[in-house]
Amino acid sequence: DAGVTQSPTHLIKTRGQQVTLRCSPISGHKSVSWYQQVLGQGPQFIFQYYEKEERGRGNFPDRFSARQFPNYSSELNVNALLLGDSALYLCASRPDRGDRQPQHFGDGTRLSIL
Amino acid sequence: GDSVTQMEGPVTLSEEAFLTINCTYTATGYPSLFWYVQYPGEGLQLLLKATKADDKGSNKGFEATYRKETTSFHLEKGSVQVSDSAVYFCALIQSGAGYSTLTFGKGTMLLVSP
Repeated sequence: DAGVTQSPTHLIKTRGQQVTLRCSPISGHKSVSWYQQVLGQGPQFIFQYYEKEERGRGNFPDRFSARQFPNYSSELNVNALLLGDSALYLCASRPDRGDRQPQHFGDGTRLSIL
Repeated sequence: GDSVTQMEGPVTLSEEAFLTINCTYTATGYPSLFWYVQYPGEGLQLLLKATKADDKGSNKGFEATYRKETTSFHLEKGSVQVSDSAVYFCALIQSGAGYSTLTFGKGTMLLVSP
């Protein structure tokens, strides 16, 4: 079975631009979460979506937004990019919102801002 | 808020040495605890988990026991291999209003030499 897939793998943008990152969850998984991992740090929670609705949001500015589609895939959008947005963006999925279920991660999109 | 603290790395060992990576947490309630591993250029892979006090998670020779009295979840392996070289993240599930998300430590890099 395919795992969580993310695209693109790498992306280079300049300050002020906008970017869209994509995620396809494991088949049957309805919950998708996004995390930002800055070099040398642990991942930080950005969003959780379940059944196409935002269920949780981390401490990120409104420049960050996301959505989930009827097939449970998801997009993360970041507007007005800053140098500090350079990071590995990870998508994770799990069957539902259950607290005790582990999240399964994709390999991430590495975003570099010049 | 909830938090996870890991020992700083890198941890440098020779092959077949014993490994311990310390992890302590601060959380309200009864979180589930996880260890994830990240190999260079890849996303996070779930290594093991424990959902309640005194549970022992184990996988691929790695073990960790959920110690509520010391709020710890230390990762151990009796004999490390070069292929174990990676970054290890301790994490807990944090529940909010209708959603839950992972809170990670900063990660500990393990380097194993032949």
